[in-house]
Amino acid sequence: GAGVSQTPSNKVTEKGKYVELRCDPISGHTALYWYRQSLGQGPEFLIYFQGTGAADDSGLPNDRFFAVRPEGSVSTLKIQRTERGDSAVYLCASSFVGVAGNTGELFFGEGSRLTVL
Amino acid sequence: AQSVAQPEDQVNVAEGNPLTVKCTYSVSGNPYLFWYVQYPNRGLQFLLKYITGDNLVKGSYGFEAEFNKSQTSFHLKKPSALVSDSALYFCAVRDPNTNAGKSTFGDGTTLTVKP
Repeated sequence: GAGVSQTPSNKVTEKGKYVELRCDPISGHTALYWYRQSLGQGPEFLIYFQGTGAADDSGLPNDRFFAVRPEGSVSTLKIQRTERGDSAVYLCASSFVGVAGNTGELFFGEGSRLTVL
Repeated sequence: AQSVAQPEDQVNVAEGNPLTVKCTYSVSGNPYLFWYVQYPNRGLQFLLKYITGDNLVKGSYGFEAEFNKSQTSFHLKKPSALVSDSALYFCAVRDPNTNAGKSTFGDGTTLTVKP
C-alpha cells in the first residue's frame, strides 16, 4: 500500500497477557518510529529505528516493552505482561532519510488501539 | 532535552477570520520544527516544516508558520479559517544535533471554526 499500515487496529487483552503490534512502513523509508498516544495528550516517543537497528530506544517505559525490525522494513512492538496503564493508541510512523540527513516529516499509520482489561 | 509547549488547549474562531495556533519550543541547537493535524478517527497528517532558510514556511491547505528564533516560537497561522479546518493540531520539534530521529510533540490544540 501507499501509506503506513498498522495491525491490528484494535486489540483488547487481559492484564498479564502478551501482545504484538505490527507496522508496515512506506516502501523506501529507512527510518521507523513507534509512539504512544493517550487521550488528551500528544504522541509520546518510544523508539526509533534507522534500518534494522534501534538508534534510540530511550522512550521505552520499561523492560516489558521491546521492538524489532529484523529486515529493515516491517517492525513489531512487543509488550509482555500487559498492565492496565499500557492502554493507549500505539502509533507507527516512517520517514525518508536523504543525503541531507533526517530532515523528513513523519508519515503516520492510523494506530493500534490497545485496551488492557 | 528537547520540549514543546502548546499553551492553548482550545482555539475558537469564526469562519473567515484569521487563526493562530501557538507553539514554543526548547532545544539545545537549531531546531527542526513541524506541524501535524489530526482529524477525528484519522492518523496524524503532516502540514508543514521548518528546517532552514526562510523563516516563513507555507504548507498544506493554506496554512503557514513563522519560525522566530529569538522568541523560540513556531506559531501556525491561516489568513481565513474554514469550518473544515476544525481538528486537533500538534507542534513537534527535533534537535538534529542530539536526537537526529526523535521528534517531541506538544499536547495538542483543538481548533474549532464556527460557521
